[in-house]
Amino acid sequence: EDKVVQSPLSLVVHEGDTVTLNCSYEVTNFRSLLWYKQEKKAPTFLFMLTSSGIEKKSGRLSSILDKKELFSILNITATQTGDSAVYLCAVETGTASKLTFGTGTRLQVTL
Amino acid sequence: GAVVSQHPSWVICKSGTSVKIECRSLDFQATTMFWYRQFPKQSLMLMATSNEGSKATYEQGVEKDKFLINHASLTLSTLTVTSAHPEDSSFYICSARDSGRVEEQYFGPGTRLTVT
Repeated sequence: EDKVVQSPLSLVVHEGDTVTLNCSYEVTNFRSLLWYKQEKKAPTFLFMLTSSGIEKKSGRLSSILDKKELFSILNITATQTGDSAVYLCAVETGTASKLTFGTGTRLQVTL
Repeated sequence: GAVVSQHPSWVICKSGTSVKIECRSLDFQATTMFWYRQFPKQSLMLMATSNEGSKATYEQGVEKDKFLINHASLTLSTLTVTSAHPEDSSFYICSARDSGRVEEQYFGPGTRLTVT
């Protein structure tokens, strides 16, 4: 059975802090790892990672994948209250491109 | 960007009735759509993979006779919850993969189902 584990489960930080969210996985037929941000409704796409060691960056967010150690991290620098959300990690597997989601990390950024 | 819509966004129904949820890709064609269920404070759980013109593939533990999926066109998939019970109350989210761009799945806004 495919597994995706995220840590921490929840996190409270002050505005301006830097946070690192973790995602580890055990799956068969790995294709890619994706990060999503979920506020009140459906997840919004952040990153898709397929190759080890290549950092993807979008503004204050960045992410990297280690396919040898089977994990990924999502970094958010200079956090803002608008970053408060649940961050979901998902691993895409197989020819049907099935996504297995982790439990998510609930991030709260306070003033 | 690619847009996926769901209808209705919120539905309340009585126990024993059936509810149909629609998922549409508005500006792209999707040969594959996915249906997820999310309980409060939990992550998304894949229920089934819907393929245009063929039968859906259900995940282990998901009753195919209870959750009927129809993917009749390249832009529409429907999920029908038959004989709904209170334990079926959940947030149902669909996603669609652009047939021309396979990099990511686009999620719909979700449908909140409450069964009384």
